[in-house]
Amino acid sequence: TQLLEQSPQFLSIQEGENLTVYCNSSSVFSSLQWYRQEPGEGPVLLVTVVTGGEVKKLKRLTFQFGDARKDSSLHITAAQPGDTGLYLCAGVPNDYKLSFGAGTTVTVRA
Amino acid sequence: ETGVTQTPRHLVMGMTNKKSLKCEQHLGHNAMYWYKQSAKKPLELMFVYNFKEQTENNSVPSRFSPECPNSSHLFLHLHTLQPEDSALYLCASSQDLAGYEQYFGPGTRLTVT
Repeated sequence: TQLLEQSPQFLSIQEGENLTVYCNSSSVFSSLQWYRQEPGEGPVLLVTVVTGGEVKKLKRLTFQFGDARKDSSLHITAAQPGDTGLYLCAGVPNDYKLSFGAGTTVTVRA
Repeated sequence: ETGVTQTPRHLVMGMTNKKSLKCEQHLGHNAMYWYKQSAKKPLELMFVYNFKEQTENNSVPSRFSPECPNSSHLFLHLHTLQPEDSALYLCASSQDLAGYEQYFGPGTRLTVT
């Protein structure tokens, strides 16, 4: 069973549209991270959220950590082709073992 | 720009070959990791090293043999692999264990023929 469930698995949108991807679990996490991975490259850390209810903004990206620290969302406003990639969430439940979700593949069409 | 480098970027090997993957981090981190990423599957943690001591082997077959001579270098020695071992192998580092943010290298795309 997957500790972190990401949805949707695939998302294809037109440039300028908004999108939201979700990361859910039945476990509580001390922190949660979001990464973006482009084809042929390793994941790159985007943000870490640590406080329940926390909202962080990174230009057009908004990250939210659920109040109960069991889920998170990533919202992209006015998506651009450069936002294309695999978005991974990763959480630390009880120990140092960072656990990754399966990812959401986002394609932004020009 | 990344502080974690991996070589080679691409590798094709037969099932009877022996090869090694190399990872180097320039971030002054103490922990290093090997992950396997297969198509349509989540990242699989393989090995964890902290201060060059192995702290975790995630039930990885013995045909994969890690080596960590110091905190900056990590190797993955490969021998008698199977076609299903074909994947992207990613190295990562973090300041310490305990959930610190991980920084990944670009990966080695391995194809076993």
